[in-house]
Amino acid sequence: GAGVSQSPRYKVAKRGQDVALRCDPISGHVSLFWYQQALGQGPEFLTYFQNEAQLDKSGLPSDRFFAERPEGSVSTLKIQRTQQEDSAVYLCASSWTLNSGANVLTFGAGSRLTVL
Amino acid sequence: AQSVAQPEDQVNVAEGNPLTVKCTYSVSGNPYLFWYVQYPNRGLQFLLKYITGDNLVKGSYGFEAEFNKSQTSFHLKKPSALVSDSALYFCAVRDMQGGATNKLIFGTGTLLAVQP
Repeated sequence: GAGVSQSPRYKVAKRGQDVALRCDPISGHVSLFWYQQALGQGPEFLTYFQNEAQLDKSGLPSDRFFAERPEGSVSTLKIQRTQQEDSAVYLCASSWTLNSGANVLTFGAGSRLTVL
Repeated sequence: AQSVAQPEDQVNVAEGNPLTVKCTYSVSGNPYLFWYVQYPNRGLQFLLKYITGDNLVKGSYGFEAEFNKSQTSFHLKKPSALVSDSALYFCAVRDMQGGATNKLIFGTGTLLAVQP
C-alpha cells in the first residue's frame, strides 16, 4: 500500500477485555516497530520485528502484551486483560531496510485505545 | 541513561517570523538525531536527520537543524514560519545501548503554534 495502515483507528475496551491491533506496513518493508504513545508524551518503544523474527520485545510493559508478524508482513499487537493504564495511542512504523539506526521510519496514524 | 529533552511544551510564533524548537540529547558515542512532525490524526512524518558530516542539516518543508556537539543540542529551525507548520514536533535519538535494535528514543514533543 501507499502507507502504513493501522486498524482499528479507535478502540474502546472495558477493563479486562482482550484487544488486537493490526498494522499493515508498506509492502516489502523489512523492519517493523510498535510504539506506545501516552497522552502528552512521546512515543515509547515496545517491540521490533525484522521480517517475521521478533528481535526485541524489551519494551513490552507486561506479559499481557504480545506481538506477532507471522509472515513478515502484517503485524498484530495483542493486549490481554486490558487495564486503564493501557490507554494510549499505539503506533506502528516500518522501514524497507534492516535497521541500522539511521533508517527513516514511516509511521501509521495509530490506534487509539481507551480502556474504561 | 540515554535521553532526549525538549524543554518547551509549546512554542508560539507569528507567521513570517523565524522559529526555533529546542532539543538536547544525552547519549554515549556519536548520536544519530532525528526530527519528526505529527499532525492531528496522522502518523509521525520524518523531517530530517543528522548522522554524520555537515552540522547543518536541511530537511522537508524548509526546515533545518543544527547539530552542536559541545552543547549536545539539535535545534529545529525555519527562517519564516507558516500557519500550516502548526503541529507537534518530536526530537529523537538512536538508542546506543539498544543492542541490535537501534530503536529511537523520543522527546515529549513541542507544540508549535503559528499565529496568522
